[in-house]
Amino acid sequence: EIVLTQSPGTLSLSPGERATLSCRASQSVSSSYLAWYQQKPGQAPRLLIYGASSRATGIPDRFSGSGSGTDFTLTISRLEPEDFAVYYCQQYGSSLPLTFGGGTKVEIK
Amino acid sequence: QVTLKESGPVLVKPTETLTLTCTVSGFSLSNARMGVSWIRQPPGKALEWLAHIFSNDEKSYSTSLKSRLTISKDTSKSQVVLTMTNMDPVDTATYYCARSPETIWSPRYFDYWGQGTLVTVSS
Repeated sequence: EIVLTQSPGTLSLSPGERATLSCRASQSVSSSYLAWYQQKPGQAPRLLIYGASSRATGIPDRFSGSGSGTDFTLTISRLEPEDFAVYYCQQYGSSLPLTFGGGTKVEIK
Repeated sequence: QVTLKESGPVLVKPTETLTLTCTVSGFSLSNARMGVSWIRQPPGKALEWLAHIFSNDEKSYSTSLKSRLTISKDTSKSQVVLTMTNMDPVDTATYYCARSPETIWSPRYFDYWGQGTLVTVSS
């Protein structure tokens, strides 16, 4: 099973700042099959990024994903008030079971 | 538009069997390369993938929970059903169903999610 470790656990930033979230896999994720989700309190997760760097439909271009192998990054170029939430990474390329990271909370500083 | 909605009991007793239903609309469960997974999230914790049913009716399960899970679908009713046996308080969680484009052997990412249903396990 591929273990995904997200860091930091909590990111305290102000609106307008840049957010950089990390997701590290315990073994290589083939074909960069990694996704990112945003989850707000009381809501289901929302797909942001798939294939490590492809934005899902309707996702603003301030969200970008990068990385390959074992190291992946989600960047939010300028935080908007609605971006404060928990973010999860998920791998789906290498082997079952699918796994999620433990999450990074982006909170208002 | 694509929607998924979970339904089932809000409270189950330890050792009982949980049955959850996911009713989908906006796509067909027989669509090639489009399946449905169940995912759960204990309060304040991370997401955990449980099971997936493929468009061709193949199934895949979490390694750690495989012995307790059964996933099935009724295409005519647009429903996916998950059963989990021998429920325990640690199974208290919000249970989500979610749509996934799939390869021939694996679900991929989840592009549409249900709202989730909170299931509490307590005597």
